[in-house]
Amino acid sequence: SQQGEEDPQALSIQEGENATMNCSYKTSINNLQWYRQNSGRGLVHLILIRSNEREKHSGRLRVTLDTSKKSSSLLITASRAADTASYFCATERDSNYQLIWGAGTKLIIKP
Amino acid sequence: DAGVIQSPRHEVTEMGQEVTLRCKPISGHNSLFWYRQTMMRGLELLIYFNNNVPIDDSGMPEDRFSAKMPNASFSTLKIQPSEPRDSAVYFCASSFSMGAGTEAFFGQGTRLTVV
Repeated sequence: SQQGEEDPQALSIQEGENATMNCSYKTSINNLQWYRQNSGRGLVHLILIRSNEREKHSGRLRVTLDTSKKSSSLLITASRAADTASYFCATERDSNYQLIWGAGTKLIIKP
Repeated sequence: DAGVIQSPRHEVTEMGQEVTLRCKPISGHNSLFWYRQTMMRGLELLIYFNNNVPIDDSGMPEDRFSAKMPNASFSTLKIQPSEPRDSAVYFCASSFSMGAGTEAFFGQGTRLTVV
């Protein structure tokens, strides 16, 4: 079953612009993770934010988490053509160790 | 470590045939997941093993699907008999589950086409 819902479903921007993707979920969580999937490849972990954290940075990535709204956002600054991929959020619930996945946002960076 | 290794990368088979997908998780990881990804349904968890024991197989579509993990370094997903609607990319992922914060490492996937 899918808990996370990303929006938008697809996003196309110019290289150098910032890209923002959102994820909403339904139940309480231990943490929320973002993954990237390049075409024809497996998913790659980008960043994890715990339920007691509000913001986290990793290089050009910035993730926020609002547990009151059950939502998260992923910001990619100064986008590059290589950022073209699908981005998925996944939530880990209490004592479960399983990840519940959203449907993904397809990001296209135009050179 | 070479990461999660799946084989084969591509499989084309005829309807009714048996298909076996294989996965070697990262050494030391104690959890293993089989996922199926299609355009229509997205990423679906089929089955989850912890310490080689199936914990949740509620995502397995029907009795035609079975999965085993005979030891910590090998798992198989079998479809018998296969049907065209089983065509999808099947991913294996592994993780080290020790408290919260379980990053999953994915293999490259097996693209299955049933004709």
